[in-house]
Amino acid sequence: NAGVTQTPKFQVLKTGQSMTLQCAQDMNHNSMYWYRQDPGMGLRLIYYSASEGTTDKGEVPNGYNVSRLNKREFSLRLESAAPSQTSVYFCASSIHSEMNTEAFFGQGTRLTVV
Amino acid sequence: EDKVVQSPLSLVVHEGDTVTLNCSYEVTNFRSLLWYKQEKKAPTFLFMLTSSGIEKKSGRLSSILDKKELFSILNITATQTGDSAVYLCAVRKKSSGDKLTFGTGTRLAVRP
Repeated sequence: NAGVTQTPKFQVLKTGQSMTLQCAQDMNHNSMYWYRQDPGMGLRLIYYSASEGTTDKGEVPNGYNVSRLNKREFSLRLESAAPSQTSVYFCASSIHSEMNTEAFFGQGTRLTVV
Repeated sequence: EDKVVQSPLSLVVHEGDTVTLNCSYEVTNFRSLLWYKQEKKAPTFLFMLTSSGIEKKSGRLSSILDKKELFSILNITATQTGDSAVYLCAVRKKSSGDKLTFGTGTRLAVRP
């Protein structure tokens, strides 16, 4: 079972370059999320999408944009990468905002901005 | 501002020991508290707690929530080297789009 799939797994960018992190889930979940994880900081929410067609800012949205392309896919874009965006990025999904179930996570993308 | 605080930050024990990990929180409109285990990659779900005083148990792991004192504990008995991981606590609020607020995690190392 695929679950939540993220691509790429690793990426190195130069400062100022742009890139899009892709995320897809095959569990028919309504809600999707992007988190970043930094040493000593835990997981911090960047953006989330409670349902297809809606997106909202999380705790640390600056420097990022998102697109909920359809129910399955939720992408995260860095328009002009900065060294402060070096992190591990996790995509997650959960079935529905009203159902209070656990979130399932992808395997992560390790991004380095030099 | 919502807060989720885990302690200790890190812990080293020997196989067979019992450990207790702590998670305290300050959030308005609490809905549920979740525990995850993170080894090298994706966090994997352990427990979700919504009611005070009801223990959730899975093998050697158990967890309980105290909504009056705003904390939860995760117990691991007879630890094994495979329990080495970062344990994450997260809180979900009502009417928040289902998003989770995480603590910084407790890094557990179990030595043979």
